[in-house]
Amino acid sequence: AQSVTQLDSHVSVSEGTPVLLRCNYSSSYSPSLFWYVQHPNKGLQLLLKYTSAATLVKGINGFEAEFKKSETSFHLTKPSAHMSDAAEYFCVVSAPGYNNNDMRFGAGTRLTVKP
Amino acid sequence: GAVVSQHPSWVICKSGTSVKIECRSLDFQATTMFWYRQFPKQSLMLMATSNEGSKATYEQGVEKDKFLINHASLTLSTLTVTSAHPEDSSFYICSYAPGQGAWGNQPQHFGDGTRLSIL
Repeated sequence: AQSVTQLDSHVSVSEGTPVLLRCNYSSSYSPSLFWYVQHPNKGLQLLLKYTSAATLVKGINGFEAEFKKSETSFHLTKPSAHMSDAAEYFCVVSAPGYNNNDMRFGAGTRLTVKP
Repeated sequence: GAVVSQHPSWVICKSGTSVKIECRSLDFQATTMFWYRQFPKQSLMLMATSNEGSKATYEQGVEKDKFLINHASLTLSTLTVTSAHPEDSSFYICSYAPGQGAWGNQPQHFGDGTRLSIL
């Protein structure tokens, strides 16, 4: 069984300051982990993924995330927020296999960027 | 990259109407597609897994007679909300995972969603 917890439902930062969106997971397997971004009335866009290769994963738009097995975490960071980063972010955990029931979405974190 | 085309993006209709939503994979053959429902300010809830050439697999609590899924080709899956009522108003999103085998390692590619409003 797998689960994912996004620790903050809402994060607000000022433009140009760092972003930290927290995600903790629970998995019986070696998980694959993903971060997606969703802008209003849009589908989800993949930011980055971890699939048991390098623990520090770089994604699009300057985002990166670090897989820490000892802490069961996969936090998303960005050094400097941009106004266009304001959106909803979802952390997703998945296990290898054919059964989509093994995929779990976090509840989401809404990122607000203040000018 | 992989592209998923979902239509329509907005639907407003009267109660009792049936509404069909299309999801096309434009550059992959998708044997499996997924349909999600998303309520305002909430995460995605998996409704069903659409399998090309066979019956869809529905999640617990999802009425298969209410949400009809057809996956007749490798590039098209449709979701029909039959006799829609105001409580069916939501944001519906489709996705697919390219390739077969160990796709749990592969990210899903999502459509842009369909906003359904039932009056």
